[in-house]
Amino acid sequence: EAQVTQNPRYLITVTGKKLTVTCSQNMNHEYMSWYRQDPGLGLRQIYYSMNVEVTDKGDVPEGYKVSRKEKRNFPLILESPSPNQTSLYFCASSLLAGDYGYTFGSGTRLTVV
Amino acid sequence: SQKIEQNSEALNIQEGKTATLTCNYTNYSPAYLQWYRQDPGRGPVFLLLIRENEKEKRKERLKVTFDTTLKQSLFHITASQPADSATYLCALVRDSSYKLIFGSGTRLLVRP
Repeated sequence: EAQVTQNPRYLITVTGKKLTVTCSQNMNHEYMSWYRQDPGLGLRQIYYSMNVEVTDKGDVPEGYKVSRKEKRNFPLILESPSPNQTSLYFCASSLLAGDYGYTFGSGTRLTVV
Repeated sequence: SQKIEQNSEALNIQEGKTATLTCNYTNYSPAYLQWYRQDPGRGPVFLLLIRENEKEKRKERLKVTFDTTLKQSLFHITASQPADSATYLCALVRDSSYKLIFGSGTRLLVRP
């Protein structure tokens, strides 16, 4: 089944403890992206990647890192999480940027206390 | 500043009627516009994409229009069903970076 898989689904952590949210797609998509969704603010792009080893900042990149060493994986790293990073996170992929719809993962609900 | 606006108030309609949702944008000249459906706590699901040189696109009970002069897209669901109840998001490819920017969505409620 074609899908984007995120893990974990739920995560509660403490301020400052490094964490990684994994994202993997099995569709050979070139374009991958991370979004966060907050009430009243909608979906905001954190980082995106046009292809392997090519990443760029979205609209809200502060406090996050990403890497794209393989085409299928695009992990999101929070080096020192803070409570304002409590949010619902989505990974998405697309065959090519722009002219194709995005496939989203099921989401990761992160709480930083 | 660049903005995508969707009606923040929920649209409440009777089953069988046509639902029409609006997406307005300012300070963009998007090449593509996309519509997604999102259920609570789930990831958005892609529905339709329309290009700037297309006026209208259809898929089963769904129809999207794209008016680049008015800077507006309309999303229609005909013969609506309670199962169509969800939040609908419009999204634009902002520029050559191909960043996909989302509106905040409109919640649709279809009463039986």
